Amino acid sequence: NAGVTQTPKFQVLKTGQSMTLQCAQDMNHEYMSWYRQDPGMGLRLIHYSVGAGITDQGEVPNGYNVSRSTTEDFPLRLLSAAPSQTSVYFCASSSGLKRPQHFGDGTRLSIL
Amino acid sequence: EDQVTQSPEALRLQEGESSSLNCSYTVSGLRGLFWYRQDPGKGPEFLFTLYSAGEEKEKERLKATLTKKESFLHITAPKPEDSATYLCAVQAANYGQNFVFGPGTRLSVLP
Repeated sequence: NAGVTQTPKFQVLKTGQSMTLQCAQDMNHEYMSWYRQDPGMGLRLIHYSVGAGITDQGEVPNGYNVSRSTTEDFPLRLLSAAPSQTSVYFCASSSGLKRPQHFGDGTRLSIL
Repeated sequence: EDQVTQSPEALRLQEGESSSLNCSYTVSGLRGLFWYRQDPGKGPEFLFTLYSAGEEKEKERLKATLTKKESFLHITAPKPEDSATYLCAVQAANYGQNFVFGPGTRLSVLP
């Protein structure tokens, strides 16, 4: 059982470049989310989705875009990378209200 | 403003030295409080969910408790393999299915 799979594991970008972080889950979870984790700041919610075709903004959405065309996949797009977006990005999914979120192992992104 | 804080920020214990980690929260309509363990280079791993004050959950050397304002993660006779960052998160009525995470406690258990 793969759970939540994130690719790539590491990425280095130059300022202004765009890229897509991939997230896939095989648990048939309706809820999926993207977080960034920075030292001393904990996990902060970027965007989330409660089902295919439905997405919404979290705490820190600026500079990021998401879409949810299938239950399994929830990609995160950086439109024009900035050094402030250097972080570790985690994708998570959940089976519903009051249920735990299950996390992937993250994408470590550096913007030069 | 809704908030989740954790203390201490870092904790060093000798093997076998029991202690507790704290997670304090100020939210309205708590739906659940979740504890996670995170190892370096990995994503958070789910440990416990607590839903109401007075509830307790146990797993091996870990025991989580919940009051109306805070949760404790008690670690009894820790081993070096318990070294990790421990995160707590809350789900509340205002957030739908979203979580608000605390900043974590970095635990080191020395042999």
